[in-house]
Amino acid sequence: DTGVSQDPRHKITKRGQNVTFRCDPISEHNRLYWYRQTLGQGPEFLTYFQNEAQLEKSRLLSDRFSAERPKGSFSTLEIQRTEQGDSAMYLCASSPILLQAMNTEAFFGQGTRLTVV
Amino acid sequence: AQRVTQPEKLLSVFKGAPVELKCNYSYSGSPELFWYVQYSRQRLQLLLRHISRESIKGFTADLNKGETSFHLKKPFAQEEDSAMYYCALNYGGSQGNLIFGKGTKLSVKP
Repeated sequence: DTGVSQDPRHKITKRGQNVTFRCDPISEHNRLYWYRQTLGQGPEFLTYFQNEAQLEKSRLLSDRFSAERPKGSFSTLEIQRTEQGDSAMYLCASSPILLQAMNTEAFFGQGTRLTVV
Repeated sequence: AQRVTQPEKLLSVFKGAPVELKCNYSYSGSPELFWYVQYSRQRLQLLLRHISRESIKGFTADLNKGETSFHLKKPFAQEEDSAMYYCALNYGGSQGNLIFGKGTKLSVKP
């Protein structure tokens, strides 16, 4: 599978613990996005990178959340001092930059399901 | 504020019947709208985008700026169309800065 890869697929953690998720985008995709999806909702945008630069952060991304993309390739999303409300599916997506923007699309990974107990 | 509304959580039809999944949006700029689909145990994937004016798997969607709608239609539903469908609005320059609706689960019965 040469699509967007996320690891782990599932994570169960105790409240108060820190967790880190990894996303490997499609090779040569400059843009990388993180979304969160809770039960019964559509995905909600968290943050976005163009290469290694984090260009936008949603208000949903509290101080306990941090995302990095150090070399412009894979990205990590860390949640510190997890709370039960953090339980969700965390989705990563990537897209290329093309001259004709209408031809781009965001390709999604299968997500990491986080359960905070 | 930008918003995407999908009024139906669940839509159930019989095979061969027409399907219309509703999507309304709120956006002050020039919208770019998409339909994403998620089949059981698969990742979210793009179905179609309004800019392309294409038909994918028999589905079409027309942007109606007057009614601020982007309804997804198919004249004859197939069982394999059963899935979650999400309408999404691109509010930024990047194709991935998307606002999603809550989704509609389409169930096509034999």
